[in-house]
Amino acid sequence: SAVISQKPSRDICQRGTSLTIQCQVDSQVTMMFWYRQQPGQSLTLIATANQGSEATYESGFVIDKFPISRPNLTFSTLTVSNMSPEDSSIYLCSVAAENQETQYFGPGTRLLVL
Amino acid sequence: GEDVEQSLFLSVREGDSSVINCTYTDSSSTYLYWYKQEPGAGLQLLTYIFSNMDMKQDQRLTVLLNKKDKHLSLRIADTQTGDSAIYFCAESTGGYQKVTFGTGTKLQVIP
Repeated sequence: SAVISQKPSRDICQRGTSLTIQCQVDSQVTMMFWYRQQPGQSLTLIATANQGSEATYESGFVIDKFPISRPNLTFSTLTVSNMSPEDSSIYLCSVAAENQETQYFGPGTRLLVL
Repeated sequence: GEDVEQSLFLSVREGDSSVINCTYTDSSSTYLYWYKQEPGAGLQLLTYIFSNMDMKQDQRLTVLLNKKDKHLSLRIADTQTGDSAIYFCAESTGGYQKVTFGTGTKLQVIP
């Protein structure tokens, strides 16, 4: 299984600001995914990030609000832009290599927006 | 669209078996997963089953799949206090495809 780290592990931010979350994996992976887990809720996929192409966003999520970078096969960033208290969530990245049967999740970034 | 449903809460006594149930709607689901999330922690993959299987056992964990009824269950034998967590059922059509998660079942183990 892959070892995944995320930075920061948690943050408290003011509304109107932006936060960039980093996801680093210890091996090259084809696909990286970003999920959001709102308080007391399940996980919802924000977008899929492939290296060398634009991220694919799920319904209800847009690039202007959640820009994503995927500069290489071991790293991705998610930015939460112009934050409001409704963005307070845990943001998790996950990875999968092609032909793998499972996704492995990072430890998550706990974001509180005041 | 895909939908995965679970009961929200389960309480069991230490040493008893726990059974967490899940139903899903996507008939094209290929993989069905159980993830565990402890308070303040990330998501841990516990086990998964391929859709052409009806049972998988891994130490204290037994997964049963009824594909006809689209019903998945996770049985934890000899439940311990360390098993207290939220358990998410999830499905996908492949490891590198979108994973759709259930609502999560909070398991409380009473000493």
